[in-house]
Amino acid sequence: QVQLQESGPGLLKPSGTLSLTCGVSGGSISSGNWWNWVRQPPGKGLEWIGEIYHSGTTNYNPSLKSRVTISVDKSENQFSLKLSSVTAADTAVYYCARGRSSGSYGPFDYWGQGTLVTVSS
Amino acid sequence: EIVMTQSPATLSVSPGERATLSCRASQSVSSSLAWYQQKPGQAPRLLIYGASTRATGIPARFSGSGSGTEFTLTISSLQSEDFALYYCQQYNTWPPMYTFGQGTKLEIK
Repeated sequence: QVQLQESGPGLLKPSGTLSLTCGVSGGSISSGNWWNWVRQPPGKGLEWIGEIYHSGTTNYNPSLKSRVTISVDKSENQFSLKLSSVTAADTAVYYCARGRSSGSYGPFDYWGQGTLVTVSS
Repeated sequence: EIVMTQSPATLSVSPGERATLSCRASQSVSSSLAWYQQKPGQAPRLLIYGASTRATGIPARFSGSGSGTEFTLTISSLQSEDFALYYCQQYNTWPPMYTFGQGTKLEIK
């Protein structure tokens, strides 16, 4: 059973950079799946941020692309999210999730429990 | 960007009755449609993918239908644990740009 766990600071100041890591257990990050970040502002819906393959290939939400970097660390079986120039609008629960297999379309079948990141001065 | 619209925003149903939730895509997504259930303080859980295939461990009372732009999630004989938020998601675009509906809250009548 694949398990994902987000970690990182829960509070940061405006204009700072959000940094989160998602550790994968029960499976390899090189399994052939894409790995995703999704966020949910308090009381609102879900927004896809981006995805990464173990090769390092990424796809990003165009609305966030200028501020987002997703990277992978195969030796640690984890992947990470960086979001720069944050504002209060970036306050959200951030989830990591396992997505599609390479070469196919697919849903997100395993999710982390989520971590709340608050942007406030 | 493909916009996903769910209706109704809130659905009030009595336990034991049937619930029907709708999801509409702004353009065809073929059958690349998933449904998720989310309870307060929890991550979304995959219920249905490919518009009609139940994910592992999902009870048979959950069923999905539709293709193209119109989709339905039906929950027959609602159990207490089914009252939650439900989201649809399309995953049909290239390059990938996954979008979710705004959610339907299923509440006890």
